[in-house]
Amino acid sequence: DAGITQSPRHKVTETGTPVTLRCHQTENHRYMYWYRQDPGHGLRLIHYSYGVKDTDKGEVSDGYSVSRSKTEDFLLTLESATSSQTSVYFCAISETENSPLHFGNGTRLTVT
Amino acid sequence: AQSVTQPDIHITVSEGASLELRCNYSYGATPYLFWYVQSPGQGLQLLLKYFSGDTLVQGIKGFEAEFKRSQSSFNLRKPSVHWSDAAEYFCAVGHTGTASKLTFGTGTRLQVTL
Repeated sequence: DAGITQSPRHKVTETGTPVTLRCHQTENHRYMYWYRQDPGHGLRLIHYSYGVKDTDKGEVSDGYSVSRSKTEDFLLTLESATSSQTSVYFCAISETENSPLHFGNGTRLTVT
Repeated sequence: AQSVTQPDIHITVSEGASLELRCNYSYGATPYLFWYVQSPGQGLQLLLKYFSGDTLVQGIKGFEAEFKRSQSSFNLRKPSVHWSDAAEYFCAVGHTGTASKLTFGTGTRLQVTL
């Protein structure tokens, strides 16, 4: 497996609280991504990064923000969690914009 | 915008039988196409990819896929399924310049009976 660590692996939080998910890579890849996986929807891109401090929105970015202050770390923040953000979140990395993605093992987030 | 359709939500095959998982895409130009596999509680693992060239692509674990432009399809095949192939399979499409920003299908769950 590519060196991708997501933390935490599981989290339960209450509606309205802030939540930050972390993705850490040891591959020194330039590109990093956050996807969410929901039944019936497959995986959908939330945000991605093409370098330190360079990020852009994906298909379902509302309610999420990201930050990348170091090559190895990509943080996903839910400023005020809602029940609709209950999901499994996957981080992925790629060496170039035309390289296949390598995925972490996911974070299961439950918002009650 | 590109889209991917996997028409089969769930498929059951017997061990040793052949397998074909369907994938249809919608994209105006030449797409980058991928198949990923996900075991329970795990992330997605790349099985194979098509960027250009030979339309029959070989992947890991004995899988292959064929790109058919005329049918907008990229079906995944395996001649003889093993019980360990039970998992969920995702087809995905990217496009030139942003091949790693993928649009995924909704997945096909494969069950293998012994």
